[in-house]
Amino acid sequence: DQQVKQNSPSLSVQEGRISILNCDYTNSMFDYFLWYKKYPAEGPTFLISISSIKDKNEDGRFTVFLNKSAKHLSLHIVPSQPGDSAVYFCAAMKYTGNQFYFGTGTSLTVIP
Amino acid sequence: ETGVTQSPTHLIKTRGQQVTLRCSSQSGHNTVSWYQQALGQGPQFIFQYYREEENGRGNFPPRFSGLQFPNYSSELNVNALELDDSALYLCALTTGGGFYEQYFGPGTRLTVT
Repeated sequence: DQQVKQNSPSLSVQEGRISILNCDYTNSMFDYFLWYKKYPAEGPTFLISISSIKDKNEDGRFTVFLNKSAKHLSLHIVPSQPGDSAVYFCAAMKYTGNQFYFGTGTSLTVIP
Repeated sequence: ETGVTQSPTHLIKTRGQQVTLRCSSQSGHNTVSWYQQALGQGPQFIFQYYREEENGRGNFPPRFSGLQFPNYSSELNVNALELDDSALYLCALTTGGGFYEQYFGPGTRLTVT
């Protein structure tokens, strides 16, 4: 049962433009959400997170938006750079738990 | 730089065999989680260890077991290997700051033939 879904397996964006990666979840008990970036032959790297008490968190070029009523979060990358090309995973958890639930990933390609 | 290392990098085993995968870091982390990532999928939680005790398990059978040692290194053991066990196995450690930001090793690619 996939509780976290990333419905777009891939995304291509021109350098300098905005990249928007989407993630949906089904469990309303989730209250913490994270984005990870993964390069080939490396483990996922933590990128940015957001608590369910917020609807936006920003860190440099990366912004995560959370819409709790829609059970939807998105990651915006502005401006996109070729080095951002990677697979992006969203993950969710409950504060009272210890298990992360990951989506299936979106492969982002930023075209120079 | 978390310095999370996993060994071996790649491994080929035959169905029915047993395998041990290892995870360690340059600094102490009292919580380690193990994940299985099948091709085209996201990481799936296997279990977590906190201070050498299992502290939660995902939907994996008992033939997946683990250990955490006093020096905070960790092992994942899989008995009676099946073809579907072929995957990338990732360990994730927490830093002293917060549990929620897990730092992953590069993984061990296991192939079962």
